[in-house]
Amino acid sequence: RKEVEQDPGPFNVPEGATVAFNCTYSNSASQSFFWYRQDCRKEPKLLMSVYSSGNEDGRFTAQLNRASQYISLLIRDSKLSDSATYLCGGGADGLTFGKGTHLIIQP
Amino acid sequence: EPEVTQTPSHQVTQMGQEVILRCVPISNHLYFYWYRQILGQKVEFLVSFYNNEISEKSEIFDDQFSVERPDGSNFTLKIRSTKLEDSAMYFCASRADNYNEQFFGPGTRLTVL
Repeated sequence: RKEVEQDPGPFNVPEGATVAFNCTYSNSASQSFFWYRQDCRKEPKLLMSVYSSGNEDGRFTAQLNRASQYISLLIRDSKLSDSATYLCGGGADGLTFGKGTHLIIQP
Repeated sequence: EPEVTQTPSHQVTQMGQEVILRCVPISNHLYFYWYRQILGQKVEFLVSFYNNEISEKSEIFDDQFSVERPDGSNFTLKIRSTKLEDSAMYFCASRADNYNEQFFGPGTRLTVL
C-alpha cells in the first residue's frame, strides 16, 4: 500500500485570506481522490471529490494532476470555522490517507 | 440526512479480551469499510467488505481481526485477543454502489488496558 504525503503544518492564516494545500501520492493505480475535513477527535467528513477537470464547491476548489501525482485544495475567503485538519485520501477501494494538514484561521 | 452509526462510542477492555465493534452503514450502501486512527496519527485502512466477503485488507488486518455482516443492517469488527497497541479510534465507513465517496461513522474509541 503506497503512501500519501501532506505538509502537516500548522498553517496559520488570517480570516478572509486564501490558502492552498498540496498532497502527493505514490500509487499511480489509485482511481479516486478526496479531501476530507477532520475536527479534533471526530470522524473525517467528506469535503469534496477531486477530479482531473477540477472541482469547485463554493469557496473550495480541488484539482488532481495525474501526471505529477499531486492533489490540491484551495480555500478562498477563509472563515474561522474552516479551522480543522484536512486529509487527502486516495485509492481504488480502501483509501490511503495522508497525516493531514492542520489549518488555523486567525481572527 | 442518512448517516453511519457506531456503537459503543467508547469501549474499555483488558488486554487479551475479545471486543466487537458495531456499525450500521447507510441503508442503501453496499460497500463497507473499517479504518483505525491511533491518537495523533493518520487514518489507516483496515478492510473493505462487499457482497458478504472481504474485498481488500491491509497488513494491519491480521488473524486477530475479523469482520461480519450478521444481518441486513449491522457490520461488525471483532478483535479476538486485544493488545495494548490496538488502542485507537475505529471508524466504520460505507459507500453506495455507483459512487466513490465514503461516509464515515463517528467512531468507537477503544482503550486496551
